[in-house]
Amino acid sequence: RKEVEQDPGPFNVPEGATVAFNCTYSNSASQSFFWYRQDCRKEPKLLMSVYSSGNEDGRFTAQLNRASQYISLLIRDSKLSDSATYLCVVNKGNRDDKIIFGKGTRLHILP
Amino acid sequence: NAGVTQTPKFQVLKTGQSMTLQCAQDMNHNSMYWYRQDPGMGLRLIYYSASEGTTDKGEVPNGYNVSRLNKREFSLRLESAAPSQTSVYFCASRLTMDTEAFFGQGTRLTVV
Repeated sequence: RKEVEQDPGPFNVPEGATVAFNCTYSNSASQSFFWYRQDCRKEPKLLMSVYSSGNEDGRFTAQLNRASQYISLLIRDSKLSDSATYLCVVNKGNRDDKIIFGKGTRLHILP
Repeated sequence: NAGVTQTPKFQVLKTGQSMTLQCAQDMNHNSMYWYRQDPGMGLRLIYYSASEGTTDKGEVPNGYNVSRLNKREFSLRLESAAPSQTSVYFCASRLTMDTEAFFGQGTRLTVV
């Protein structure tokens, strides 16, 4: 099983719709989780951290399910500007300083 | 507020040439990372440094060397460039193992 797995997509979603992505991770010792956004040929940028209790930032909601070892990202009322690749990021855990990136999920918001 | 700065932004090398990619951060971060990103492959970790004076191999270290010159700077060296090293290289840093990473703008390297 890969350390971090994401559905590569692309997800083609009409503007205004709600879309959700999941990301699974293999190391139960992982403690920190993040969602990053990457626009074409640009550097990844933090979208939001993922907390055990779940967290919301405007139209974006992130959830963590430790029992099933996955994190999720929900985007409500999607905008054209949400078109990007969304990267799931998991810390290795066990005092290992590596950061593991998923390959990303491509999202296209259609007008 | 510069954050993470990478130089150069673009580079073309001939096979066999050497070069060093520079990375500097001004956020007093402890950990620094070098990734490469190829189409369809996602971000792959080359080397990382958990603190000044330490470096460790990542997923794809072959053909590269690194130096953590001080807390601010982490350089990546290609001793003898190969076409397979054509890629976009990103440097990143973070304060601790539990915090988010910040990225530089990337270096687009082509080896011909």
